[in-house]
Amino acid sequence: QVQLQESGPGLVKPSQTLSLTCTVSGDSISSGSYYWSWLRQHPEKGLEWIGYIHHTGSTHNNPSLKSRMTISVDRSKNQFSLELKSVTAADTAVYYCARDGGYPYGNNWFDPWGQGTLVTVSS
Amino acid sequence: DIQMTQSPSSLSASVGDRVTITCRASQSISNYLNWYQQKPGKAPKLLIYAASSLQSGVPSRFSGSGSGTDFTLTISSLQPEDFATYYCQQSYSTSSLTFGGGTKVEIK
Repeated sequence: QVQLQESGPGLVKPSQTLSLTCTVSGDSISSGSYYWSWLRQHPEKGLEWIGYIHHTGSTHNNPSLKSRMTISVDRSKNQFSLELKSVTAADTAVYYCARDGGYPYGNNWFDPWGQGTLVTVSS
Repeated sequence: DIQMTQSPSSLSASVGDRVTITCRASQSISNYLNWYQQKPGKAPKLLIYAASSLQSGVPSRFSGSGSGTDFTLTISSLQPEDFATYYCQQSYSTSSLTFGGGTKVEIK
């Protein structure tokens, strides 16, 4: 059974960098069969895709966040990570990681998802 | 970005009812359309991928249809555990994967 678990600080100050890690169990990122995605959900709002990474290190990011974000992978730990720079209150959201079925032919569906972690941007 | 519009934004229904949720894309997306169910405080769960393929483990009362710009999620007989918010998501434009605004299914 594939499981994903997000971890990282729940509170980040404005202008600082949000850093989250997703630990995967029950599947190997190195298998290369999937992308691995980050998504977020603003309070009481809808869902927003942030970006994905493949085990090769290739990434694809949401253009609206591209200039501030980095997704990386640590194959030895079976983890992938998100960094979002210069955060503001608008980045307050529940952040999810998910396995992404879009590799190699497209149709990026997300399954399963981590439980999500609330990140609040506040001084 | 491709805009995804769901209707209605909310609905009230009774156990046993047939429920239909619609998702419209701002341009043709072929069958690159997925559906998710989200319960309060929980992560979304994939129900349907590629417009009409049922994800493993999902009850057969859920079905999806459509192609191009218009898609439908149908619950043939609503069960108590189906009260949740449902989202559609397009994956045709990988430059930005986008979701609909959600449809909240409530108990009548």
